[in-house]
Amino acid sequence: QLQLQESGPGLVKPSETLSLTCSVSGGSIGTSSYYWGWIRQPPEKGLEWIGSIFHRGDTYYNPSLKGRVTISVDTSKNEFSLKLSSETAADTAVYYCARNHAYTSTWDYWGQGALVTVSP
Amino acid sequence: QSALTQPASVSGSPGQSITISCSGSNSDIGGSTFVSWYQHHPGKAPKVLIYDVSNRPSGVSNRFSGSKSGNTASLTISGLQAEDEADYFCSSYTSSTVYYVFGTGTKVTVL
Repeated sequence: QLQLQESGPGLVKPSETLSLTCSVSGGSIGTSSYYWGWIRQPPEKGLEWIGSIFHRGDTYYNPSLKGRVTISVDTSKNEFSLKLSSETAADTAVYYCARNHAYTSTWDYWGQGALVTVSP
Repeated sequence: QSALTQPASVSGSPGQSITISCSGSNSDIGGSTFVSWYQHHPGKAPKVLIYDVSNRPSGVSNRFSGSKSGNTASLTISGLQAEDEADYFCSSYTSSTVYYVFGTGTKVTVL
């Protein structure tokens, strides 16, 4: 059974960079049929797609965050990472990593989510 | 890209059927077969219930069914059970540069 687990600091200061890692177990991140993505949910708001990466390194980002977001993959560690710079309070959210099926665009496996609070 | 619109809450008694709507536009739900539905118990990982509008992954109860008409997708839960009490959200691939949009989420309460 595939499992994804987010890890990283739960508190980030304004203007600093948020860094999260998603560790994948029970399957290879190098499988060609899948993308790996980050999604977030601010308090009392809906989900927002942040961006996705293919195992070869091809990346796709939400234009609303472009310029601030970087997603990378480390196939040797079977993990992928998110960096979001210039943090503001509006970036406070639960951040999820998830796998996306390339042919159905279905998010078929998710992590439990990591709460990141942006505060001085 | 605006989020897909869902009712904030839906409730029903055990054994009843409920339907959750997910309204979008021509550039997402109306123009895509890649519509999916998810169940989320707080603190746990979301679980996919429906993909490609109406397909159920292996292991998902046939009490869950999906459909689409125009720019609106729907999830129906039949034979409502206490364990169905959770948050539900939809998702669609979109032809815009955002690629993926999600619903605003619906809290299902079993009375």
